[in-house]
Parts: sequence; C-alpha cells; structure tokens
Amino acid sequence: DSGVTQTPKHLITATGQRVTLRCSPRSGDLSVYWYQQSLDQGLQFLIQYYNGEERAKGNILERFSAQQFPDLHSELNLSSLELGDSALYFCASSVVASGAYNEQFFGPGTRLTVL
Amino acid sequence: QQPVQSPQAVILREGEDAVINCSSSKALYSVHWYRQKHGEAPVFLMILLKGGEQKGHDKISASFNEKKQQSSLYLTASQLSYSGTYFCGTETDSWGKLQFGAGTQVVVTP
Repeated sequence: DSGVTQTPKHLITATGQRVTLRCSPRSGDLSVYWYQQSLDQGLQFLIQYYNGEERAKGNILERFSAQQFPDLHSELNLSSLELGDSALYFCASSVVASGAYNEQFFGPGTRLTVL
Repeated sequence: QQPVQSPQAVILREGEDAVINCSSSKALYSVHWYRQKHGEAPVFLMILLKGGEQKGHDKISASFNEKKQQSSLYLTASQLSYSGTYFCGTETDSWGKLQFGAGTQVVVTP
C-alpha cells in the first residue's frame, strides 16, 4: 500500500458523458501527478500540481481538466468521453516537485471503461 | 519526447543477469526507474540525476551516462520477484514533467 488513494476503482460510462476521478496523496506529499495508461500508449504523463498550483503539463486533452484543492487532494475531470479514453488512470504523489527526492508513489488506479 | 527502451522483453532463468537500456534524444535532468507487476501500480526503484552516478537497490542497480543521455538498469542474479514490466521515466528539466518509455517486460522463470 503506497498511501495514495484513488476513487472509484472502476468506472463504466457512455460516450459523451463526464466523470470525475479523485486522488488523495500520501500524508505530507505536496505534489500530485496524473497519468494515463492504455495498452497502445503506455504510461502517459497528463499533469502535475504542486501545493495547489499547476506545475507541469503533458499530453492532456482540452476535454480533460484537473485541480488540486487546499487539502491537497486532487480531481481529474474527463468530459465528452470517447471510446479512446478508456484506460487506467493513475495518480501519484511525492514530497517535492522534482529532483533527487522526487520518488513518486502511485495509487492503485481508476479503470475507466467508455462504452 | 518519449525515451526509447530496449529490449522490449526479456526472459531469464533465476540467477541470470539482464540489462535494460533507456535512451533519450534530449539532454536529461534525471532518470527514474519503476517496476509494474501485472494489475498493480508502478513501484519506484530509483532516481538518477545527471552527473553519471550509479545507484543500487538490492541486486538491482542503474547507471546514467550523461554524455550519451542513456541510462541502464542492471538486474543481477535475478529472482522470481523481479518479473514485471520495467519503465524508465525521464525529465529534461526540473519542472517535474516525467516522460515514460514503453516499458520492458521481464519474465524470470524457475
């Protein structure tokens, strides 16, 4: 158990819908990262927040948005869902934003299935 | 840009050694190594910063060649528990954007 929690564990929804994935980082961690893992794309970095502020952005679609709240939990919002959005979404957290101590602890993931 | 990992897969007998390589076309700030077992989340192994350092984690070690922008992960005297997919992740600056390679599947057999 990494100490990072993600809810829900599984999500099944239809195309065109909107969903929210939630992540609670380890106690004391200020950075939260979101990753998408699908069979044909590997592990893709989406976005990073550090202490409430967006710090780095990856290949995140405009239909996706995220935020980190004052209690440091984070939410990833996915809208106008398409079949290709079906994937495993991981949240990870770390103490710092980058550097030698940027060990990232991954949550168990949310498996999203879009029908 | 995504780093390139090689080989894509390797099958080992217990006790054998293996090397996994991770190459980038860009100058690297750091290289991260993670292992993911089927159906589980990736687990951190180690971070190497530019400077050519080498690190170890049990019988798994890694090196970072800054001149070549390449990192290698060494699995020594492999154990059954080493089976999984190994990912390298690279940062090109200190802003935390980590790009992962496609992964190397390692299967260790008795």
